[in-house]
Amino acid sequence: GAGVSQSPSNKVTEKGKDVELRCDPISGHTALYWYRQSLGQGLEFLIYFQGNSAPDKSGLPSDRFSAERTGGSVSTLTIQRTQQEDSAVYLCASSFRDRGYNEQFFGPGTRLTVL
Amino acid sequence: DAKTTQPTSMDCAEGRAANLPCNHSTISGNEYVYWYRQIHSQGPQYIIHGLKNNETNEMASLIITEDRKSSTLILPHATLRDTAVYYCIVRAMGYKLSFGAGTTVTVRA
Repeated sequence: GAGVSQSPSNKVTEKGKDVELRCDPISGHTALYWYRQSLGQGLEFLIYFQGNSAPDKSGLPSDRFSAERTGGSVSTLTIQRTQQEDSAVYLCASSFRDRGYNEQFFGPGTRLTVL
Repeated sequence: DAKTTQPTSMDCAEGRAANLPCNHSTISGNEYVYWYRQIHSQGPQYIIHGLKNNETNEMASLIITEDRKSSTLILPHATLRDTAVYYCIVRAMGYKLSFGAGTTVTVRA
């Protein structure tokens, strides 16, 4: 079956512009996660959606970052007034909520470059 | 999450077993050992996890020492497609994954 898909695969933008990154999770997965991975850095948690529960936004680095998940499926991560330090690979993952061990399936990522 | 220590890099020959060590001496009783890998330009991929018993699936085997302070991921017959960065993560149940530097494994023909 289809895995997690993300679009665009690459995005180059100018400092100060807004960007939207899209994630299509695996069908039937109730949990959705956003992470980012900067060059040479590890994985950084951003936000977690689970069904109709309030999302865990504790990892969002600033109020310029926001995310929504419509209809319990597709999610969009929005970064407003982008800064150069926002340059990173943004990864989306999804999982079955009731998996005890929390195996997360990742998409290929969106590489964001802020000039 | 407990701190883990992995070698920076290792090479292995195609067709041979690759044994990837991980030290986690401060692991708590409720923390699991997870392994993920990340092939260049792809998203991370779950491999296996365990609590205290050895585990095996279609991808790999996980051997955890009796005191749980270290573990070894075994890829039984490494292929060129197994070239990747391998991450050992020790954590309790939860959804916030975080990776350290991992081990860069290069499988050579």
